[in-house]
Amino acid sequence: NAGVTQTPKFQVLKTGQSMTLQCAQDMNHEYMSWYRQDPGMGLRLIHYSVGAGITDQGEVPNGYNVSRSTTEDFPLRLLSAAPSQTSVYFCASSPRQLGWQFFGPGTRLTVL
Amino acid sequence: RKEVEQDPGPFNVPEGATVAFNCTYSNSASQSFFWYRQDCRKEPKLLMSVYSSGNEDGRFTAQLNRASQYISLLIRDSKLSDSATYLCVVNTALQGAQKLVFGQGTRLTINP
Repeated sequence: NAGVTQTPKFQVLKTGQSMTLQCAQDMNHEYMSWYRQDPGMGLRLIHYSVGAGITDQGEVPNGYNVSRSTTEDFPLRLLSAAPSQTSVYFCASSPRQLGWQFFGPGTRLTVL
Repeated sequence: RKEVEQDPGPFNVPEGATVAFNCTYSNSASQSFFWYRQDCRKEPKLLMSVYSSGNEDGRFTAQLNRASQYISLLIRDSKLSDSATYLCVVNTALQGAQKLVFGQGTRLTINP
């Protein structure tokens, strides 16, 4: 099992560009989440999904969209990148016990 | 006040020492608790769940104090490989929705 995979690992964008961060899991987990991690702050939840076709906003959803068409995939779209979105982005999946999160390796995003 | 607070450290201790971290949480409705470990520039990984009765996994002991709303992690006979950032995670269920909140982490360095 590959677990949770994320692509790309690194990305540099210019302000105003859009892009999609990919996330996939092969553990048949119902829950999937996107977090951002910034220095001096804990992981903050952007969006999450409790199953295919169901998504909801987390703590910091502005500027991001998600969709969950399959159990395996949970892409995160940046609509119009801003320097404030420079961060490390982690995708995670979990079984019913939400606290048991399995994280992907992360995407380091820089917005110039 | 942050929902989950940790002393960011850094904690620098010699190899073989015992070290303990605390984490406080503000929501008395919090239901489950976890410790995660995050190595530098890597993704967080679940270290252990924290049960009401306290639990031990090898050199690691986790305890929960609901009355004072804190959890603790004790590491005995510390190894160089224990150097990492330790994240406290609290799961709260409100109106049928689960909410997972991460502390900002406590950085630990074990010195030879």
